[in-house]
Amino acid sequence: DTGVSQDPRHKITKRGQNVTFRCDPISEHNRLYWYRQTLGQGPEFLTYFQNEAQLEKSRLLSDRFSAERPKGSFSTLEIQRTEQGDSAMYLCASSLQGWERNTIYFGEGSWLTVV
Amino acid sequence: TQLLEQSPQFLSIQEGENLTVYCNSSSVFSSLQWYRQEPGEGPVLLVTVVTGGEVKKLKRLTFQFGDARKDSSLHITAAQPGDTGLYLCAVPNYGGATNKLIFGTGTLLAVQP
Repeated sequence: DTGVSQDPRHKITKRGQNVTFRCDPISEHNRLYWYRQTLGQGPEFLTYFQNEAQLEKSRLLSDRFSAERPKGSFSTLEIQRTEQGDSAMYLCASSLQGWERNTIYFGEGSWLTVV
Repeated sequence: TQLLEQSPQFLSIQEGENLTVYCNSSSVFSSLQWYRQEPGEGPVLLVTVVTGGEVKKLKRLTFQFGDARKDSSLHITAAQPGDTGLYLCAVPNYGGATNKLIFGTGTLLAVQP
């Protein structure tokens, strides 16, 4: 399967712990996006990369959040000192540059529960 | 306030019924997309509409873009349990700055057999 893959699919962590999610995009896609989604709501944009460059970050991405895409392939999203309000599904997506003519493909998401 | 407001927020219907979901905004968009998201999955693109007044059909689903390109509707004929999911409208490039999608508030559809 050559779709967008995310790992882990589910993570339960104690408040204050750090967590890291990984995303492997479709191999030829140079754009990668992270979104956050709470139950029954639409996804909210967090950040996106073009190749290894992080071109935009939402104000939702507090200082405790950091995303990287070191070699322009896979990406990681780290949340430090997790809070209960961080509980959500974190979605990764990828597309070709100029995605208006190319579809964005989403992964299955990584569910985070902070207890 | 949300850029894209969807209504209804939640809809539970019986198999075979028809339904319409709405996506409204006060802003004008160059294009609009509809996605369906099944439980435990990421959103999957259903359609993109780009022209005011445009109507697109995908089997039992009919999508319409408003004449003024501020709103859109999704009509499902003879709904089936497999149509169950979260329906999301989304727009690209709002503000013209970046290639990202902004999603609506979502409509959660449950079709009972």
